[in-house]
Amino acid sequence: QVQLQESGPGLVKPSETLSLTCTVSGGSISGDYWSWIRQPPGKGLEWIGYIRWSGSTNYNPSLKSRVIISVDTSQNQFSLRLSSVTAADTAVYYCAKEMRSTYLDYWGQGALVIVSS
Amino acid sequence: QSALTQPASVSGSPGQSITISCTGTSSDVGAYNYVSWYQQHPGKAPKLIIYDVSDRPSGVSNRFSGSKSGNTASLTISGLQAEDEADYYCSSYTSSNTYVLFGGGTKLTVL
Repeated sequence: QVQLQESGPGLVKPSETLSLTCTVSGGSISGDYWSWIRQPPGKGLEWIGYIRWSGSTNYNPSLKSRVIISVDTSQNQFSLRLSSVTAADTAVYYCAKEMRSTYLDYWGQGALVIVSS
Repeated sequence: QSALTQPASVSGSPGQSITISCTGTSSDVGAYNYVSWYQQHPGKAPKLIIYDVSDRPSGVSNRFSGSKSGNTASLTISGLQAEDEADYYCSSYTSSNTYVLFGGGTKLTVL
C-alpha cells in the first residue's frame, strides 16, 4: 500500500517561495506520475502539476510561471516550489500518485500552508 | 480553462439514491473516458471512488456507480447511508493543456 506524507513550513511570507516535500513509502517512486493538488480553505480542488520519475513535468497553465516540481528518486521524494506567493496561495497542499495522468489513486493527508506576514 | 460544472449541493434520505452531475465540454468529459470521482469528508484528504467513468477501486462500495453521456458524467449513490455525507468532486482529463481538471464540488447532505 503506497503512502504519501507532505512536509514543509506551515507559514510563508508574501513574495517568498513556498516549498513542500512529499515522501513516498510502501512503493517505489519510479515508473509513475506524482502530483501536487491544492485546496484553499472552504473551496474546491486545484491541480498544480505532476512529475514523472524520469523528471518530465506538466503544470497547470495558470500556475506554470511560478511552479517547479522536482523528484529525488534516491530518497523516494518529490517536491513543490511555488514562487512569489500571495494570500491567494493559502491552501491545504496535497501530494498524490497519478495514474496515466488521468486519476489520483493515493493521496497524502495534506499540509496547510498560510501566506502571511 | 474553466472548472467542470457540478451542483453546489444535493440531499437525500437514508436508503434513497441520489445522482450528482458533472458537465464539461467536448475537450474533456466528452472526449475521453477518463472521468474520476472523489469523496472528501471534512478535514480529510480526497478519496478516489470512481475512475475511467465507471470503474471502482478495490474496497469501494458497489453502492457507488458512474456513467457518462455526451459532455456530462454522473455519480450515483444508492442506498444512502449517513457516512456518505461528504463533498464529492469530479475530474476529467483535458486535451486543452493535457492536464487534470476538477469540478467545483458538490456537498451531499443525508437528511
